Amino acid sequence: AQSVTQPDIHITVSEGASLELRCNYSYGATPYLFWYVQSPGQGLQLLLKYFSGDTLVQGIKGFEAEFKRSQSSFNLRKPSVHWSDAAEYFCALLGGGYNKLIFGAGTRLAVHP
Amino acid sequence: SAVISQKPSRDICQRGTSLTIQCQVDSQVTMMFWYRQQPGQSLTLIATANQGSEATYESGFVIDKFPISRPNLTFSTLTVSNMSPEDSSIYLCSVAPSGTTQETQYFGPGTRLLVL
Repeated sequence: AQSVTQPDIHITVSEGASLELRCNYSYGATPYLFWYVQSPGQGLQLLLKYFSGDTLVQGIKGFEAEFKRSQSSFNLRKPSVHWSDAAEYFCALLGGGYNKLIFGAGTRLAVHP
Repeated sequence: SAVISQKPSRDICQRGTSLTIQCQVDSQVTMMFWYRQQPGQSLTLIATANQGSEATYESGFVIDKFPISRPNLTFSTLTVSNMSPEDSSIYLCSVAPSGTTQETQYFGPGTRLLVL
């Protein structure tokens, strides 16, 4: 079965601290993986994606993610969080014949000043 | 990427009525998608709308409840029919631009629907 798990529903960090959001997937082949961010009252914005090649991918807003096949993980990281990063973050994989995004439940990030 | 707009941005509707949501893209795209995000939940694909063919619905979604039109390569509509409070959700359209990035979906701002 194809699925995405985000174990952390809520995370709170202090501004300037480092961040790691966890994402695990279940998929029968090499997945196409994505991280999206949804700010309050907004749609989804693509942060980064992994299709193949270098397992460390860089995205917008200073985010990066590392694909680890052995752990079926695609964790999102940022070295120093800004207050504007407070949002909900969704990990997703492309399944169902490569036209269906399967989303995790999301992780809501709060940033303390 | 693509610039995607949706109308209306939000609406409050009475049960039993229908609402049509529009999705407009600034470039021609083959694949458009409609997703639902129920309160506090993640996104679920409703259907795939390709121009020139009928929409393909996911399990649990039916055409009578969510009719979709795709008259050209830049526009699609989703109708939520005979609404009930359980239909209160954010409805988002997304597009997969043609070419090498066809696997990447870009999302509109969403339509926030409250059914009373």
